[in-house]
Amino acid sequence: QQQVRQSPQSLTVWEGETAILNCSYEDSTFNYFPWYQQFPGEGPALLISIRSVSDKKEDGRFTIFFNKREKKLSLHITDSQPGDSATYFCAANQGGRALIFGTGTTVSVSP
Amino acid sequence: GALVYQYPRRTICKSGTSMRMECQAVGFQATSVAWYRQSPQKTFELIALSTVNSAIKYEQNFTQEKFPISHPNLSFSSMTVLNAYLEDRGLYLCGAREGVGNTLYFGEGSRLIVV
Repeated sequence: QQQVRQSPQSLTVWEGETAILNCSYEDSTFNYFPWYQQFPGEGPALLISIRSVSDKKEDGRFTIFFNKREKKLSLHITDSQPGDSATYFCAANQGGRALIFGTGTTVSVSP
Repeated sequence: GALVYQYPRRTICKSGTSMRMECQAVGFQATSVAWYRQSPQKTFELIALSTVNSAIKYEQNFTQEKFPISHPNLSFSSMTVLNAYLEDRGLYLCGAREGVGNTLYFGEGSRLIVV
């Protein structure tokens, strides 16, 4: 059973638009949720993260919205740029346990 | 800043041979190292979690006999894929974490191609 789910699988937006990536999880003990950005041929790089005590985390054009009750979160990329074209992974864990990754959302930003 | 280096970046090996990959943490102490395999479809499989001074915990479908891991100090870990076959192909990623913090830093990965 996939513990961390992402949707959509792929997403295309125009430059300047907001891309919205969704993530949901099963384990209610998860309390840390990082998002990783991965470009082709590279390893995943930490983009932004949130802890379950918060419902929103913002870093520049990237914002995480977190709903603990529904076990859902989303990543909003505002003013999308062609350089944001990548695959984005939602992950989750609790304490010292290993991160569990979602299946990823591939974002394409058209100029 | 925290950096993780992985070596080699890419290996082509003949079916039935083995491949060793290394992971180096720079700028922080890697008290925990998680090894993942990313499939061509980009899904992540956790292979094992290694914490210094603790037993290495392997996930279901992965064994020490097939994927032996060494984590001798706070800056280095290695993993070997023994008797590699086609199903072992993928990008092997090392994720390192310092202390009890959650942040996992990844290297660029070691891609295994089996022919």
